[in-house]
Amino acid sequence: GESVGLHLPTLSVQEGDNSIINCAYSNSASDYFIWYKQESGKGPQFIIDIRSNMDKRQGQRVTVLLNKTVKHLSLQIAATQPGDSAVYFCAEGGNGGAQKLVFGQGTRLTINP
Amino acid sequence: DGGITQSPKYLFRKEGQNVTLSCEQNLNHDAMYWYRQDPGQGLRLIYYSQIVNDFQKGDIAEGYSVSREKKESFPLTVTSAQKNPTAFYLCASNRWQGSNQPQHFGDGTRLSIL
Repeated sequence: GESVGLHLPTLSVQEGDNSIINCAYSNSASDYFIWYKQESGKGPQFIIDIRSNMDKRQGQRVTVLLNKTVKHLSLQIAATQPGDSAVYFCAEGGNGGAQKLVFGQGTRLTINP
Repeated sequence: DGGITQSPKYLFRKEGQNVTLSCEQNLNHDAMYWYRQDPGQGLRLIYYSQIVNDFQKGDIAEGYSVSREKKESFPLTVTSAQKNPTAFYLCASNRWQGSNQPQHFGDGTRLSIL
């Protein structure tokens, strides 16, 4: 039968505010984590990654935090801009690291003017 | 510019027909991947290839086939055995050896049934 898409979690923030997107992962043996941004009709775009031997990594306007105790990953975007509106995916690399990624469902981020 | 090129952007399949999606990369990456994305969902791995003339099944390989005759190319065939082929198909690539390297994606092919 016809498949029905799941309802994406959504987050709305005001332009200029900071946003935090959260992700829970399942495999305690995962040693690599990555965030992607996907705009409508396009492929995912790499944002930032982090290895399990780190708990924080910063990029340009973005920070990824990793809490291995509770298997939680977050992406912080500072001073959000309209161009940040997209769906954001986290992915974990289990035993295969970056080669065998398992993707989350995604979060739709909307920036309000 | 270096990157991953997927073609066509849109593709329509008739009942009982096989269709082939193209993926080419000029990044000199060793590994290539095919994912399927359904509306409102994450990506699921169909097939991947670490080196030329070798490939492995992913989580949802049934009804699909691939080949890797050249390092730059990793075409995906959606066969008539795939009963629900309507989806957005994404190709990715990265370096295989050494430390973890992020996968980089093309802009996808949207496949629909006529």
